[in-house]
This record gives sequence, structure tokens and C-alpha cells, in this order.
Amino acid sequence: AQKVTQAQTEISVVEKEDVTLDCVYETRDTTYYLFWYKQPPSGELVFLIRRNSFDEQNEISGRYSWNFQKSTSSFNFTITASQVVDSAVYFCALSEETSGSRLTFGEGTQLTVNP
Amino acid sequence: DTAVSQTPKYLVTQMGNDKSIKCEQNLGHDTMYWYKQDSKKFLKIMFSYNNKELIINETVPNRFSPKSPDKAHLNLHINSLELGDSAVYFCASSQQSTSGPKNIQYFGAGTRLSVL
Repeated sequence: AQKVTQAQTEISVVEKEDVTLDCVYETRDTTYYLFWYKQPPSGELVFLIRRNSFDEQNEISGRYSWNFQKSTSSFNFTITASQVVDSAVYFCALSEETSGSRLTFGEGTQLTVNP
Repeated sequence: DTAVSQTPKYLVTQMGNDKSIKCEQNLGHDTMYWYKQDSKKFLKIMFSYNNKELIINETVPNRFSPKSPDKAHLNLHINSLELGDSAVYFCASSQQSTSGPKNIQYFGAGTRLSVL
């Protein structure tokens, strides 16, 4: 059975601080996909990144970076020099090859960036 | 041009009523989904259709019935609404049958359903 855990329910930082959002997953599949989505206060779900289980390279996109480590079943997300506009709920999600296309989401982490 | 669009954005109704939420995607995807987000923000899949065929049907009361008239549309009909149905319902779509970046689900803006 697939499971995603985001242990940090809420994080509050001051603008320009770096912040890391943790994500730990469980799966028995060898082929799977990991995702991060952002849900700003306006409510929509915005896709940020997808990783497959065979690609452990870290990825950087502007101020965003992701650290995928299969050894610890973690897929953490770091925002560098946070901005007020980064305030949102961030969801980590998992999709197993054998479970069709369903996404199993973590509980989400509410990030608040204060000016 | 909105990729995945849902209507209505807000839906307020009385217990016992029947209501529908519509979803359309213009991405050319072959798979569509309905997710429910509860008051604690937890997201859970309800249904998934691939090329108009039901492929995921989670443990959802049979008062909820999805309908996919074609690949671009997936509607959700809810009978005899109950207080516990109040939630935000998200439609999503993805392309599952290519060798490209499949499995990326793109979401609509959500429909906030309030049952009074």
C-alpha cells in the first residue's frame, strides 16, 4: 500500500529565509512517481515537479530545489530566499506503476512566509 | 485558455438535493479524475476514467456517480446530498498512454460544495 507522510503541519518563516518541506513515502513498487503540488490561498492546485523512481538526481528550478533519496524514501523540497508569495499549502504525492494513475497525497504543509 | 475547467466554482445547496459538477479539459488528455478535499485539506481520489472507461472507483457512496460523455469531459453527479458531502471537489486530467511525461495530473480550480 502506498503512503505519503508530511510530518510538518505548519511552518512559519520570515522572508528571505530558506525553508525545507519534508516528505517521506512508502511503496512496494520499484517503479513509482513522486510529485509536489502547491495550493495557494486562492485554492487551485499547481503542479511543481514530477520525479520517477529511477532518477535520483536532485533538481533545481530557480529558488526551488528538490532532494530525492531512495535510501531514506524521502523527497524533500527546499525554497531558497523565501518570499511572501510562497505562502501556500504544499502537497507531496506518490503514484505507483501498479496502482494505475491514482495520486496518494500527503497531509500537506502550510507554509507561511512573513514580511 | 483554461486547461482544466470546472463549473460551478461554488455550490450551496440544501440537504437532500441532487447536484452536478462539470469538468472539461482541453489538453487532449486521455484520463480524468475526481478528488475530494476535506476541511482538513486532505486530498483523496474518488474516481478515474481512461478513454471514457471507469478505471478507479474508490470507496465512495453510490450517491456519487461520475459520467464521462467523451475523453474531454468528466461530470460528477451527487444524489441526496448530505452535510458530510461539504468539501472542495477537484477535477484533474493526465495523459497516460504515451512515452512522454505521463502521470502528471493537472487540476481544475476546484468546486466548493456547501450542504446546509
